[in-house]
Amino acid sequence: EVQLVESGGGLVHPGGSLRLSCAASRFTFGSYWMTWVRQAPGKGPEWVANINPYGNEKYYLESVKGRFTISRDNAENSLYLQMNSLGPEDTAIYYCARVGLYRGYSYLEYWGQGALVTVSS
Amino acid sequence: DIQLTQSPSFLSASVGDRVIITCRAGQGIGNFLAWYQQKPGKAPNLLIYAASTLQSGVPSRFSGSASGTEFTLTISSLRPEDFATYYCQQFNSYPPLFGGGTKVEI
Repeated sequence: EVQLVESGGGLVHPGGSLRLSCAASRFTFGSYWMTWVRQAPGKGPEWVANINPYGNEKYYLESVKGRFTISRDNAENSLYLQMNSLGPEDTAIYYCARVGLYRGYSYLEYWGQGALVTVSS
Repeated sequence: DIQLTQSPSFLSASVGDRVIITCRAGQGIGNFLAWYQQKPGKAPNLLIYAASTLQSGVPSRFSGSASGTEFTLTISSLRPEDFATYYCQQFNSYPPLFGGGTKVEI
């Protein structure tokens, strides 16, 4: 069974930085698009960023562009999210997910358990 | 950005009921829509993709359909484990936004 395990969450002051990691196992990590999705307390999920299998094609939610950077290390089977200039609005559980692809249709087929990021003074 | 409007936001139902949840896209997205179920404290779980294709392992009481920009998730006979919040997500274009959710309560 596919496993995705996030780490690196925690409490950070406004304006601070944090780097999330997602360790992938039990599938060929380097063959899949990966994504980060966040969910603020009591709210619905919000897509944050996508990265292609080679790491050279990335897409971001407008509100995180220039502050967040998605990256991956296929040799280490790991996905990352570098988050800078954090604000209270970034407080959320951050999930990594594997993007499924079938006949051109995408979907988020496997999710990690999530990492909580709290931005507060 | 393509907005997704789910209705209703809350739904009270009983075991055995037929439940229909609607997701309306702000513009045409073809069949590039997925449905997820989320239970408290857990990550969302994929139910349906490509508007009507059932994910492997998902019970057949769940089904999806599409008509233009309106998509529906149907639970044919509600079971106790189906009480949860349901979200749609479009993948036609970036950003792949989620709908606001429908909470199915007893």
